[in-house]
Amino acid sequence: NAGVMQNPRHLVRRRGQEARLRCSPMKGHSHVYWYRQLPEEGLKFMVYLQKENIIDESGMPKERFSAEFPKEGPSILRIQQVVRGDSAAYFCASSSQGISETQYFGPGTRLLVL
Amino acid sequence: DAKTTQPNSMESNEEEPVHLPCNHSTISGTDYIHWYRQLPSQGPEYVIHGLTSNVNNRMASLAIAEDRKSSTLILHRATLRDAAVYYCILRHFGNEKLTFGTGTRLTIIP
Repeated sequence: NAGVMQNPRHLVRRRGQEARLRCSPMKGHSHVYWYRQLPEEGLKFMVYLQKENIIDESGMPKERFSAEFPKEGPSILRIQQVVRGDSAAYFCASSSQGISETQYFGPGTRLLVL
Repeated sequence: DAKTTQPNSMESNEEEPVHLPCNHSTISGTDYIHWYRQLPSQGPEYVIHGLTSNVNNRMASLAIAEDRKSSTLILHRATLRDAAVYYCILRHFGNEKLTFGTGTRLTIIP
């Protein structure tokens, strides 16, 4: 069974560019979560999505960040007009049914903003 | 979410048992105790979780105090591959997000 897949694994952007991070959940999983880990810090929840719906975006910055999980294809975390403070590791997790099911994490995308 | 307190770091010798403590004095009746670990340059990995009773799986054991104000993750025979940051997380039933603290950095000495 393939686990959670994220791509790219590493992404370099200049200030002002857009970053698109992709997450393919485990087979059969319809719940996706995004977390961000700043250097030397713990992971912080960003957003929780089910297919075509955002369930909880309480951890998302108010501007420049958006997430989607379309009916077909991977979940996308989009960061517009990136700034140096966006440099971090972004992890995606998936679960089968939500409601306190175990979350399985991907290997992360490491974003570096120059 | 109720908070957890863990030591910043611990060391253990290879092939010996490791006991990782976690204090959660403000835990509520519907908070599950979850443990995840994060190996270097990887995403977090689920280890174990429990509510009231002690739990065992192929990776570890979870011992929960009778008053539930503390718990201990037990690795029965540490290997070098167990070197990681271990996170103790309280997850309120129905709350989908995981709230990570700073965890315990476990170093295994060969």
